[in-house]
Order: sequence, then structure tokens, then C-alpha cells
Amino acid sequence: EPEVTQTPSHQVTQMGQEVILRCVPISNHLYFYWYRQILGQKVEFLVSFYNNEISEKSEIFDDQFSVERPDGSNFTLKIRSTKLEDSAMYFCASTRLDEAFFGQGTRLTVV
Amino acid sequence: AQTVTQSQPEMSVQEAETVTLSCTYDTSESDYYLFWYKQPPSRQMILVIRQEAYKQQNATENRFSVNFQKAAKSFSLKISDSQLGDAAMYFCAYRSYSGAGSYQLTFGKGTKLSVIP
Repeated sequence: EPEVTQTPSHQVTQMGQEVILRCVPISNHLYFYWYRQILGQKVEFLVSFYNNEISEKSEIFDDQFSVERPDGSNFTLKIRSTKLEDSAMYFCASTRLDEAFFGQGTRLTVV
Repeated sequence: AQTVTQSQPEMSVQEAETVTLSCTYDTSESDYYLFWYKQPPSRQMILVIRQEAYKQQNATENRFSVNFQKAAKSFSLKISDSQLGDAAMYFCAYRSYSGAGSYQLTFGKGTKLSVIP
């Protein structure tokens, strides 16, 4: 069964450093998403991406965040200058029709 | 803006018994989707069941069923014949019907379900 894959599974970075979280969505899906889950809290929408541009973004998705689909398969989330409060689980998701498929997540720890 | 509320931070159930997880939501829209997602310790988000608001019939998926009360804006999940593998965090989620293809989900805070052998 096709699945969304995310790498790495765990990333530790120093405050102020840039990180790139990677996702490979399901191949025939058209919409791609990033969500964030701070430990013990609910899952929050960050951004959706369609046809090589952002279609929606939340207020969390400020100027330090960016997304890109650099080739036909990868979908990345870049955080330019990480803060302690960026520590969270980041989930990538993709959809073709109505159902969203989530990746297994990347745990980002900012120290 | 839509909100989703799960009032039970934790629940427990004996193996083989039935448990119901509660979810309420607030919206001014008439057409939307509701979902229950399961998040086991592996942290992956797995779709359990979905309900379209325009459908009066409650969705069922094997041992999982929902009680959808549109007027009350309530969407509870019933797990029958609970199994050890059902132990997980369960999230209720809402999605607007409008915005073709866009799939922005609004999640509740989750209910941690423990299954007692």
C-alpha cells in the first residue's frame, strides 16, 4: 500500500540553526500539507501546497517557515532560524480526493 | 473559525468491552466532514473513520462506529470488543466541505485510550 514517508524520524538542532524536514508524498496525490504537534498538545495545521504554490497557511506559518517541492517527488519544510518553541512533531500529509494520508512524522528537538 | 472539543483527556476500557469517546464541535457551516484519527505510540496518524455531514446514517468500520448528532454538533466514537491494539491517542477532526481539494483539518486535543487486559 502506498504511503507518505518522512525523513529524518528524529532531528536535533541548535537554536538558531536552519532545518529542512523532508517528505515524499504518495505519487498520484495533488495536495500536500504540513501539520505540527507540540508534545501533549493537539495537531495544528501549518500549510497546504498545490500546483507548486501555497494554497493555505495558518498564522503559525510565519516568515521563518517555507515549503518547497524541489522535484517531482519531495516536499520539504524549512525552518530558517529554529527556536526552542519549534520543538514538536511535524507531520506531512497528502491527498488526492478526500482522504488525507499522514507520514509517520519527524520529531524536531531544538536545544 | 471551527473548534473541536474532546472533553475526556483519558479513558480506559477492559479488553473485549465497549468504550465511547466524545467529541463536540462548533461550526456555522452546513456541509463538512468529521474524522476520528488514531495515533499509537509510533506517532503515526491513522484514519479510523469518517462521516460526511450530509449523510444521516452513522458511519461504521468493523468494530468502530460513530454517533453523529448534527443538531447537537456531537460526533462520538464507539469501539466495540476493545483490543489491546486499540490503545492509542484518538483525535477528532473537522474539515470544511468547501475549498475543493484543500484538506485543512482542525483537531481536538485528543483522548488517550488505555485497554486493560
